Amino acid sequence: EVQLLESGGGLVQPGGSLRLSCAVAGFTFSSYAMSWVRQAPGKGLEWVSSISGSGGGTSYADSVKGRFTISRDNPKNTLYLQMNSLRAEDTAVFYCAKVEGYSVYDPMEYWGQGTLVTVSS
Amino acid sequence: EIVLTQSPGTLSLSPGERATLSCRASQSVSSSYLAWYQQKPGQAPRLLIYDASSRATGIPDRFSGSGSGTDFTLTISRLEPEDFAVYYCQQYGGSPLTFGGGTKVEIK
Repeated sequence: EVQLLESGGGLVQPGGSLRLSCAVAGFTFSSYAMSWVRQAPGKGLEWVSSISGSGGGTSYADSVKGRFTISRDNPKNTLYLQMNSLRAEDTAVFYCAKVEGYSVYDPMEYWGQGTLVTVSS
Repeated sequence: EIVLTQSPGTLSLSPGERATLSCRASQSVSSSYLAWYQQKPGQAPRLLIYDASSRATGIPDRFSGSGSGTDFTLTISRLEPEDFAVYYCQQYGGSPLTFGGGTKVEIK
């Protein structure tokens, strides 16, 4: 059974940093791309970032480019999202998602339950 | 960037009725790399349809997807009580990946 468990969310002040983690189980982690998607309160889904199975390829939404860094530790079966220079508009539930294939250009077939990030003073 | 516009914003229907949801892209979606997701309140999204018309694992056959190029449709042939939710389309043919704004299917 595929399992994705996000952690690391919480309350942070504007300009602060936070690192999200997504621990996975039930599949060969290194064989699949992974993504982060966020959802602001009461709003729709917004893609944030994706990373290839090897970690060698990454892509970012313009809204987070230069502030967020996606990475993965394949031996530890864990995906990360380092978030710096956080803004109020980054407040959202952050979901990690397993992509169907090795490439980031595949659908997101499994999702975690999300972790809430609140940016406020 | 490919902008996806979903319509209608809200669809009010009764159980047993047919639901037709639209997703229009601002430019052609490469290789019909379009997916549909269902999201219920307080839950994560669930993949329903990928490659415009292929059902994901475990998805009932009352859900079907069609379309190509810039116009895509999700059809629910007969609404079950558990189908009332928000539906999003997403294109994964190129970066940035983009989602539509969603269609809420509510009980009439």
